[in-house]
Amino acid sequence: KAGVTQTPRYLIKTRGQQVTLSCSPISGHRSVSWYQQTPGQGLQFLFEYFSETQRNKGNFPGRFSGRQFSNSRSEMNVSTLELGDSALYLCASSFPDRTEAFFGQGTRLTVV
Amino acid sequence: DAKTTQPPSMDCAEGRAANLPCNHSTISGNEYVYWYRQIHSQGPQYIIHGLKNNETNEMASLIITEDRKSSTLILPHATLRDTAVYYCIVHFPLKGTDKLIFGTGTRLQVFP
Repeated sequence: KAGVTQTPRYLIKTRGQQVTLSCSPISGHRSVSWYQQTPGQGLQFLFEYFSETQRNKGNFPGRFSGRQFSNSRSEMNVSTLELGDSALYLCASSFPDRTEAFFGQGTRLTVV
Repeated sequence: DAKTTQPPSMDCAEGRAANLPCNHSTISGNEYVYWYRQIHSQGPQYIIHGLKNNETNEMASLIITEDRKSSTLILPHATLRDTAVYYCIVHFPLKGTDKLIFGTGTRLQVFP
């Protein structure tokens, strides 16, 4: 059974640009969550999608957005990149309201 | 904010049991205790969870105190590959969200 797949694994962008990250959940999982991990702030929740609807959102500016498609794949977008957006972005999928979440390997974004 | 408190770091000799404590004094009656670990630069990995009874699986054992205000994750025979950051999380899986609130975790170093 394939795990959660995130693409790309590594990305370098320039300040002011925008970026789109992709997450393919485990087959059958309908809930997808996104997290940002930085050395200073640790693992922080960005948002959560279920059946193409955002059902929870963390405390991040509007430059961070996401969506989920009918096949449960999800994308997140960050516009007008800032140096502080450099982080490991993690995606997790799970059956809705079930026990464990399965995380992907993450996308390492570096903003220069 | 995270509802758990963990020591920032611990050491353990290879082959010995690693006992990782977690305080969650404000846990509510329907919240479960979850443990995840994150090996350097990878996505977090689910280990185990429990409500009030002790739990064991192929990876670890979870001991929850009778008042549920604290718990201990036990890795019975630690190996070098168990070196990771371990996160204790309280979460109610049927709340209509899969959002996990991560604290700072415990960095476990297993030495030869």
